Amino acid sequence: GENVEQHPSTLSVQEGDSAVIKCTYSDSASNYFPWYKQELGKRPQLIIDIRSNVGEKKDQRIAVTLNKTAKHFSLHITETQPEDSAVYFCAATLSGTYKYIFGTGTRLKVLA
Amino acid sequence: DTAVSQTPKYLVTQMGNDKSIKCEQNLGHDTMYWYKQDSKKFLKIMFSYNNKELIINETVPNRFSPKSPDKAHLNLHINSLELGDSAVYFCASSQEFYGYTFGSGTRLTVV
Repeated sequence: GENVEQHPSTLSVQEGDSAVIKCTYSDSASNYFPWYKQELGKRPQLIIDIRSNVGEKKDQRIAVTLNKTAKHFSLHITETQPEDSAVYFCAATLSGTYKYIFGTGTRLKVLA
Repeated sequence: DTAVSQTPKYLVTQMGNDKSIKCEQNLGHDTMYWYKQDSKKFLKIMFSYNNKELIINETVPNRFSPKSPDKAHLNLHINSLELGDSAVYFCASSQEFYGYTFGSGTRLTVV
């Protein structure tokens, strides 16, 4: 069935370093890839998204890249800060539906 | 002014009880969703309504029944609660399918 794999499951970085989270999707017709940040006890919040007709998108310290051929997409956070500590989820839309298939999440810890 | 609001925020109840969770969105979105987040943080879709029509109905026990009285509201009723139903339930909404906005979640604990 449809699947989104996300790695790593946990990631610790020093403040100021970069963090990269990778996802792989199975449905080649998927066309929209959002990323969500969930702080402890809070709701998931959309931080950046990318559509299949674009290879890269940036928003300040956050960027997402998409490789449609390999069915990979990645989240890049530069100059990490302690407030970036959270669980990050990738997702892919199943073609023709409103359903997001979420990755299993990455717990990011930024060490001060 | 909260965009997607859920009530209650916490729900502790005994096995076998029936309970409801309510969700309202004021974003004018046409689609609403229920997601379940288990203890391992996995987010799994349960149901979705588009303009009051059920469009996603995943394999969940038929003890779970969604109801959408209008496109701004989506409620979730659960009959005969079981221990395994304990989780955080998130409501969400979107315009078309771009960028869900999640509610703050309802932590359900069945004892």
